[in-house]
Amino acid sequence: GESVGLHLPTLSVQEGDNSIINCAYSNSASDYFIWYKQESGKGPQFIIDIRSNMDKRQGQRVTVLLNKTVKHLSLQIAATQPGDSAVYFCAEKVGYGGSQGNLIFGKGTKLSVKP
Amino acid sequence: EPEVTQTPSHQVTQMGQEVILRCVPISNHLYFYWYRQILGQKVEFLVSFYNNEISEKSEIFDDQFSVERPDGSNFTLKIRSTKLEDSAMYFCASSAGTGVYNEQFFGPGTRLTVL
Repeated sequence: GESVGLHLPTLSVQEGDNSIINCAYSNSASDYFIWYKQESGKGPQFIIDIRSNMDKRQGQRVTVLLNKTVKHLSLQIAATQPGDSAVYFCAEKVGYGGSQGNLIFGKGTKLSVKP
Repeated sequence: EPEVTQTPSHQVTQMGQEVILRCVPISNHLYFYWYRQILGQKVEFLVSFYNNEISEKSEIFDDQFSVERPDGSNFTLKIRSTKLEDSAMYFCASSAGTGVYNEQFFGPGTRLTVL
């Protein structure tokens, strides 16, 4: 079936370095992509989103890149801090039919930041 | 800042027992969701709810599951006869609108352990 998945289950970076977390998706009909951060014992927290008519979007210290040609999504975190340590999920929404509300999540990448 | 709350944080039950997981969505939100996350796996959509009825449900949401908005603030998930494989984190989410581009805000989750 169609799904959203992640290339790397774990990522360890040094504090201050940039982090890149990758995600592959297979549903070409997806219109909207979101990155969530999940800290231990908490629910997913919205980080940044991007619509399918864009290829790049920047937030505070985070950038999301979308490559629809190869169905690839990435999250870049600049100057990674210990507080960035968490599991990061990509998620997609499909903007057709009745499936306009639910999110389809990828498996998650655990980011560990070494001080 | 308004947030989604969930109770209890941890629920332990015996197989075959009924459980009710409770959520208080953000007060001006109209769309409500339940997701679950089995330990170490991705977050999975269960059901969405709007205007006092189910909008969409996944294959996981079988006849053992039901949702209700008993009053103006609570949103509940009931599992009628729990199975071992129902053990998971259950997340409630709410959004102000539906459609592709509306952000869903997640609660902290309830950890359900079925013995």
